[in-house]
Amino acid sequence: KAGVTQTPRYLIKTRGQQVTLSCSPISGHRSVSWYQQTPGQGLQFLFEYFSETQRNKGNFPGRFSGRQFSNSRSEMNVSTLELGDSALYLCASSLDSPGNTIYFGEGSWLTVV
Amino acid sequence: QKEVEQNSGPLSVPEGAIASLNCTYSDRVSQSFFWYRQYSGKSPELIMSIYSNGDKEDGRFTAQLNKASQYVSLLIRDSQPSDSATYLCAVSPGTYKYIFGTGTRLKVLA
Repeated sequence: KAGVTQTPRYLIKTRGQQVTLSCSPISGHRSVSWYQQTPGQGLQFLFEYFSETQRNKGNFPGRFSGRQFSNSRSEMNVSTLELGDSALYLCASSLDSPGNTIYFGEGSWLTVV
Repeated sequence: QKEVEQNSGPLSVPEGAIASLNCTYSDRVSQSFFWYRQYSGKSPELIMSIYSNGDKEDGRFTAQLNKASQYVSLLIRDSQPSDSATYLCAVSPGTYKYIFGTGTRLKVLA
């Protein structure tokens, strides 16, 4: 069974640009969540989607947005990139039940210069 | 107070010893608890989940949960150099949001 797939794996962007990251969940998983990981802050929850609807959102500015498609695939977008947005962005999927185990993809490493 | 707290380490143990990793959480309504292992440059991988008070064993790993004390721990028996990694504690209050500690770095010395 294929795991969570994230693309691209590595990318470098310039301040002010925008970026879109993609995530394909494990087959049968309809809940997709996104996390940002930085050395100083650890893993921070961004948002969670189910059936194309955002159910939970973390404490991030509106520059961070996401969406989910009917096939459960998800994208997140960061606009007007700042140096502090440099991080590992992790997508996780799970079966739809609160408190279920979430499984992470390999992540997208974003560097903003 | 952080919602999920872990000692950042590093925790150094000799090969073959028991490594004990600890985590405390602040939200009393938390219902689901997880331990993830993260190697440097990699994404977190699930080691164990635990939902009820007491111990849960899986191979060399034992998770312990005490909801009254808001405490969850992970014991690694017969530690191996390959266990050297950062261990993340995660807590879910019964929603679709998971709260992670900043992790404990474990070093197993050969």
